[in-house]
Amino acid sequence: AQSVTQPDIHITVSEGASLELRCNYSYGATPYLFWYVQSPGQGLQLLLKYFSGDTLVQGIKGFEAEFKRSQSSFNLRKPSVHWSDAAEYFCAVGESRELTFGKGTLLTVNP
Amino acid sequence: GAGVSQSPRYKVAKRGQDVALRCDPISGHVSLFWYQQALGQGPEFLTYFQNEAQLDKSGLPSDRFFAERPEGSVSTLKIQRTQQEDSAVYLCASSLRTGFEAFFGQGTRLTVV
Repeated sequence: AQSVTQPDIHITVSEGASLELRCNYSYGATPYLFWYVQSPGQGLQLLLKYFSGDTLVQGIKGFEAEFKRSQSSFNLRKPSVHWSDAAEYFCAVGESRELTFGKGTLLTVNP
Repeated sequence: GAGVSQSPRYKVAKRGQDVALRCDPISGHVSLFWYQQALGQGPEFLTYFQNEAQLDKSGLPSDRFFAERPEGSVSTLKIQRTQQEDSAVYLCASSLRTGFEAFFGQGTRLTVV
C-alpha cells in the first residue's frame, strides 16, 4: 500500500530564510507526487506536481520540489520565505485516482 | 462556478442525527472525490465517482456513510446516526478526468456534539 511520511510536524522559520519541507513516500510503481498548501479554513491548493520527466519541478508562489527516486523523497523548497507562506503543507502520492496524503507540516513564519 | 463549492461550510449535529453534505464540482469535471480530514491529520480518501458511477467506496468508514452523484454533477455525502468520531472536515475534489489535477473545495466542518 502506498504511504507518505512527513517527518516534521511543525517548522518555524524567519521571514527571508530558506525553507525545506521533507516528504518520503512508499509506492509500488512510478508515483505521481504532489504538494498542497492549506491555509486556515481553506481548502487545499496545489503548489506543484511531478508526473515524469525533469526531477526538479517548479510550482506556484516560488516553490520547487525535487524528486529523488533513490531516496523515495520529494522535498519542497523555497529560497526565501514570506510571512504569507505560513500555512500547513501536505505531500501526497497517487496514480490515476485517489491521493494518499501525509499528515502535514505546519509552517510558522517569524517576522 | 469557478471552483468546487461545498455547503454548508459548518455543521453542528447532535449525536444520532443524520446529516447531508453537498458538493458542486467544477462544471464538466468527470471525476469527483470525497475526503475526510480529522483534526491535525491529512485528508483521507472516502469515495470516488466517475460521472454518476461510484467506482470506489473503499474508504467509507462504516455503513452509516453513503454518497451519491445521481446526475453526474452535484454529489451528496450523507452520514446517518452521527457519532462524535465523525467530527472532521469533509473535503470534496473534482478533476476533469482521472489522472488530471484535482481541485478541492473549502470543505464542510462537521462537529458532532
